[in-house]
Amino acid sequence: ETGVTQSPTHLIKTRGQQVTLRCSSQSGHNTVSWYQQALGQGPQFIFQYYREEENGRGNFPPRFSGLQFPNYSSELNVNALELDDSALYLCASSRGPVAGENGGELFFGEGSRLTVL
Amino acid sequence: TQLLEQSPQFLSIQEGENLTVYCNSSSVFSSLQWYRQEPGEGPVLLVTVVTGGEVKKLKRLTFQFGDARKDSSLHITAAQPGDTGLYLCAGGNDYKLSFGAGTTVTVRA
Repeated sequence: ETGVTQSPTHLIKTRGQQVTLRCSSQSGHNTVSWYQQALGQGPQFIFQYYREEENGRGNFPPRFSGLQFPNYSSELNVNALELDDSALYLCASSRGPVAGENGGELFFGEGSRLTVL
Repeated sequence: TQLLEQSPQFLSIQEGENLTVYCNSSSVFSSLQWYRQEPGEGPVLLVTVVTGGEVKKLKRLTFQFGDARKDSSLHITAAQPGDTGLYLCAGGNDYKLSFGAGTTVTVRA
């Protein structure tokens, strides 16, 4: 158990719809990163939120957006869903924004499995 | 396209055998992490290495970071069925991790 919780765990949407995924970070963590994991692939970085501001973004279009709240929980919003958006969406929290080092170790939730029909 | 290449993609061995998983890149990373992921779950951190040439041992698992900080390996001694899972390497630079596609390890009893 990493202390990172995501909801919903599974959901099905149709093309063109919008979806909001939620993440509660581990206690004491101020940074949340979102990753997309397609079937048979490693996770791909979407963006990171640090102290309520977007701190970095991967190669994803603007229809992927996010928020971080004062309690450091976070949301990922995807508009105009496409079939290729079907994936496991992973949220990870950390004590700091530098990935992997000195407090930046990422602790992942179990993910939200999105299917777009 | 994955920045980190992992090999092999699949590995099936008998309980008690040893195995090695490789992670290679043309990029330099400030840190490298190994995760294990089981079906329906998120990745779980196994180790972080930050110094070129660093070797870390955790019970039966040995992790090595290349001198140039571009590659890494994970070696498991006397594998057990509980070691079965998807092993992911991830290179860290600034705010993000770049993951490999993973190695699926199956340990048969």
